[in-house]
Amino acid sequence: AQSVTQPDIHITVSEGASLELRCNYSYGATPYLFWYVQSPGQGLQLLLKYFSGDTLVQGIKGFEAEFKRSQSSFNLRKPSVHWSDAAEYFCAVGPSAFLRDKIIFGKGTRLHILP
Amino acid sequence: EAGVTQFPSHSVIEKGQTVTLRCDPISGHDNLYWYRRVMGKEIKFLLHFVKESKQDESGMPNNRFLAERTGGTYSTLKVQPAELEDSGVYFCASSQEVSRVHGYTFGSGTRLTVV
Repeated sequence: AQSVTQPDIHITVSEGASLELRCNYSYGATPYLFWYVQSPGQGLQLLLKYFSGDTLVQGIKGFEAEFKRSQSSFNLRKPSVHWSDAAEYFCAVGPSAFLRDKIIFGKGTRLHILP
Repeated sequence: EAGVTQFPSHSVIEKGQTVTLRCDPISGHDNLYWYRRVMGKEIKFLLHFVKESKQDESGMPNNRFLAERTGGTYSTLKVQPAELEDSGVYFCASSQEVSRVHGYTFGSGTRLTVV
């Protein structure tokens, strides 16, 4: 069955430090992969997506993610975090013809920023 | 362009009462989706409308949940009668037919608390 695993429920980093949020997926074919962010009081905002081509994808707000097929991973990175990056981040797979139009989400990683 | 609008943003009701959530998709988006996140769990798919038709309702938890999209514009999700385990955040999303693989546009969600 398709699934998405985000092994870290909470992560705390200092402002200005680098960030990597982990995501592993289980999917029978080349997946469509997404990272969404939910800031306090806001909806889910799409940060970036991967469908094919270059395995390093750039997103909004200075985020990037790298698709590694051999590791079934799609980790999110940012070289220097800002206090405004404190939010909850969701990795997701789909939609596709197999999943119909569903998106399968991970449980989320809550990012805390130390001043 | 207005985004996906959901209201109310918060709702607190007693067990056994009825609550109706509303979602206004982006104008012109034929696809409308409902997702929910209960406490500590993943965001999970509930159902998918294409215009006024239910394309996939495999995620609806039970028959206490009724979703409608009369006229193919806004959608409502009614919970009747509400139970404690229905508490969570209900998200709505929409997409154009040709862009569904590019990720949905989500609303800010409705936080439902059943006491």
